[in-house]
Amino acid sequence: AQTIHQWPVAEIKAVGSPLSLGCTIKGKSSPNLYWYWQATGGTLQQLFYSITVGQVESVVQLNLSASRPKDDQFILSTEKLLLSHSGFYLCAWSLFWGQNTLYFGAGTRLSVL
Amino acid sequence: SQWGEENLQALSIQEGEDVTMNCSYKTYTTVVHWYRQDSGRGPALIILIRSNEREKRSGRLRATLDTSSQSSSLSITAAQCEDTAVYFCATDTGSGGSNYKLTFGKGTLLTVTP
Repeated sequence: AQTIHQWPVAEIKAVGSPLSLGCTIKGKSSPNLYWYWQATGGTLQQLFYSITVGQVESVVQLNLSASRPKDDQFILSTEKLLLSHSGFYLCAWSLFWGQNTLYFGAGTRLSVL
Repeated sequence: SQWGEENLQALSIQEGEDVTMNCSYKTYTTVVHWYRQDSGRGPALIILIRSNEREKRSGRLRATLDTSSQSSSLSITAAQCEDTAVYFCATDTGSGGSNYKLTFGKGTLLTVTP
C-alpha cells in the first residue's frame, strides 16, 4: 500500500526566515507529485507539480520554490517567509497520466509571525 | 475562477437528517470529484462522478452531475456525527499534458450534532 508522509507536522516561523517542508511517498514508483496551499477556512490552491525527478512546474507565484531530489521526495522551500505564507501545506500524489484522483498527506500547519 | 459565487458555506444539521451540498462550475469538465476534509487533515476522495453518469451512489452518499447546468450535488442520507467535516467539490482544469490540476471549490463545512 502507498503511504505519504509530510514533515514537519507544524511550524512557527518568523517573517524573513527560511522554510523547508518535505513529503515522501512510499509504495509507488514515479508518482505525480503536487503541493497545495490552503488558507485557514479556505479552499486548496495548487502551487507546484512534478511528474519526474528533477522536474518541477510552478502553477502560481508565491515566492516559494519546490524541488524533487528523489523519485519519492518532494520539497517546498523559501529563503524568506512572508506573513502571507501562513496556512496549511498539503502534498499529494496521483497514479499516472489521466488519473486525477489526488491522495493527500496529513499536511503541515505553518504560522508565520 | 472556475467557480461561481461560492464561499465556504456552513451547514448545521441534526443526526439522522438528510443534507445536500451543491456546487457549480464554469469550465467544461468530464468528471467532478467530491473530497472530504476532517479538521487538521488532508482531503480524501469520497466519490467521483463522470459526465456519462447522472448519479452515483456510495453507501449513504449520492452525487449528481448535470453537465448542461454545470452543477453537481452531494447528498448524505441519515447523517451521523462522524460526517462532520468540510466537503469540497473539484474539477479537472489541467492545461493538458502532464499537469493534472484539480481545482477545488470553496467547500462546505458540515456540522452534524447529536
